[in-house]
Amino acid sequence: DAGVIQSPRHEVTEMGQEVTLRCKPISGHDYLFWYRQTMMRGLELLIYFNNNVPIDDSGMPEDRFSAKMPNASFSTLKIQPSEPRDSAVYFCASRDRGGGYTFGSGTRLTVV
Amino acid sequence: AQKVTQAQTEISVVEKEDVTLDCVYETRDTTYYLFWYKQPPSGELVFLIRRNSFDEQNEISGRYSWNFQKSTSSFNFTITASQVVDSAVYFCALSEDGYSTLTFGKGTMLLVSP
Repeated sequence: DAGVIQSPRHEVTEMGQEVTLRCKPISGHDYLFWYRQTMMRGLELLIYFNNNVPIDDSGMPEDRFSAKMPNASFSTLKIQPSEPRDSAVYFCASRDRGGGYTFGSGTRLTVV
Repeated sequence: AQKVTQAQTEISVVEKEDVTLDCVYETRDTTYYLFWYKQPPSGELVFLIRRNSFDEQNEISGRYSWNFQKSTSSFNFTITASQVVDSAVYFCALSEDGYSTLTFGKGTMLLVSP
């Protein structure tokens, strides 16, 4: 099993540009989570899906952020337009039916 | 609402010392799960342990041990004979039954010097 796969590992973009982060969860896991990690706020939940359906997006900071899960094997987190304060590490995680969480390696986003 | 507090922001020890990382949690649920994750300098989140609220037995895995006490709402993590490779940020996290997300503490940075 390859684990949770995130791409890209690093992304540097200019303010105002659209950024798309990608995640492939572990096959068979029915929950998918997007977390953001910053020095100031630590690890915070942005949104999570159950069986591809968004359940709670109350952690999404503002309308510039959107997330989709078109099928069980793929999810995206999009920021449009990006701002310097969006610079952070974004983690995707999936959860199996037994309650075990597996995190991807993260995407380090830098908005200049 | 659930909450996890890791009061120690940073701990520095010398190799071979024992070190305990504290974790205090708040929850209204009677069924919940507690986790510890390690984040080495490379940045990934490495799963260490998961315990459910009905299992208060202490657990030992090599140099790692965990002490779960419901009476004090604590789930502390001890590294015995620390090594330089243990240097990382350690996160404690809580998941309430029926609410599937993980709530993380702010993390404790452990620096083990030779």
